[in-house]
Amino acid sequence: GAVVSQHPSWVICKSGTSVKIECRSLDFQATTMFWYRQFPKQSLMLMATSNEGSKATYEQGVEKDKFLINHASLTLSTLTVTSAHPEDSSFYICSASTRNRGQSQHFGDGTRLSIL
Amino acid sequence: GENVEQHPSTLSVQEGDSAVIKCTYSDSASNYFPWYKQELGKRPQLIIDIRSNVGEKKDQRIAVTLNKTAKHFSLHITETQPEDSAVYFCVISQGGSEKLVFGKGTKLTVNP
Repeated sequence: GAVVSQHPSWVICKSGTSVKIECRSLDFQATTMFWYRQFPKQSLMLMATSNEGSKATYEQGVEKDKFLINHASLTLSTLTVTSAHPEDSSFYICSASTRNRGQSQHFGDGTRLSIL
Repeated sequence: GENVEQHPSTLSVQEGDSAVIKCTYSDSASNYFPWYKQELGKRPQLIIDIRSNVGEKKDQRIAVTLNKTAKHFSLHITETQPEDSAVYFCVISQGGSEKLVFGKGTKLTVNP
């Protein structure tokens, strides 16, 4: 149980393009979803927390107009990187939690984003 | 803000030996301490977790100890195997909330 699916797994696109990443909880309802960014050989850094039906809470230093998060249902959250530039290239990972499972977070497979 | 220090950053052991990774934190409100294993290019996987009302937890070759007074916790892997090679992250809950703060990671290499 507790399977989180993330799509796409790999994206290469031109500078200026907007990219949407989907995160789905497949076998449970996720009350909260989290978006992380991980640069090579570094740790996971939380970007934002989203709760179904409400606005996302962004961490300090993360531009909310750059990284648009939508959590429309209890099983789907999306992250859109708007007008992406090479410095946005990174590994983006989502996770999901549910009150029934306490504070445990279950991670998706991640999306490797490369901006040319 | 919340901070978690993890040591060592790299660890190399021979197959069959034990590996220990240690973390310290500053947020006294943290009450959940998971450990994640991440292989290159893959998702972090929860390997064991402990809550603040417990001092030790064991699952086969993996154990975690927590000293809440001293604000440190450790991961112990016994009888290491090459497939244990990965990056391990210690994690704390921020202020006892759902938000997690990751340590910088330990790259463990188990040599056959």
